[in-house]
Amino acid sequence: GAVVSQHPSWVICKSGTSVKIECRSLDFQATTMFWYRQFPKQSLMLMATSNEGSKATYEQGVEKDKFLINHASLTLSTLTVTSAHPEDSSFYICSAREGQNTGELFFGEGSRLTVL
Amino acid sequence: SQELEQSPQSLIVQEGKNLTINCTSSKTLYGLYWYKQKYGEGLIFLMMLQKGGEEKSHEKITAKLDEKKQQSSLHITASQPSHAGIYLCGAGWTQGAQKLVFGQGTRLTINP
Repeated sequence: GAVVSQHPSWVICKSGTSVKIECRSLDFQATTMFWYRQFPKQSLMLMATSNEGSKATYEQGVEKDKFLINHASLTLSTLTVTSAHPEDSSFYICSAREGQNTGELFFGEGSRLTVL
Repeated sequence: SQELEQSPQSLIVQEGKNLTINCTSSKTLYGLYWYKQKYGEGLIFLMMLQKGGEEKSHEKITAKLDEKKQQSSLHITASQPSHAGIYLCGAGWTQGAQKLVFGQGTRLTINP
């Protein structure tokens, strides 16, 4: 079945630095990918919709300058947490759908970010 | 307010027992997805339901979507330790909606 891969699976960084997380669809093309954030013991919160070749669509309350999203190809979307702070520490998960509007939505393994 | 409510939020059952998790929407669903997650890991797709009254099964897990398409239940028969984890329902409310909104999740513990 289709697979979505994230890298890195976990990262520790110092406060003030920027961190990039990659989301790849391994055997299918994804014109749209989604980035979610999950706090401990909480559900997934949609952050933004990543659109190949165009600007990402951010959910209300998500800072677009803080969480930069780039969807440069049909198989890769990146999330960059800029000037990270401890409150940005979280589990970030991406997802992508194979095909158009129907079908299974595949999720990556997640990336755990810890900002010291 | 939460658009998608899951209940219970946590559940502890004895191995071998049956259990049910519910997911209720405040409005009519277009599609309802069930996922399983182990803490700190990605989501594993279980089932997708789109039609009112639809029911799907995979091994010992059965999911149903009611006729009004506002409530879904996930039923596990003869639970096993491997069923432990967090179960999440995700919903889309319009045709063509690709992004999902998730319920709070249900943390399932199976006691041997």
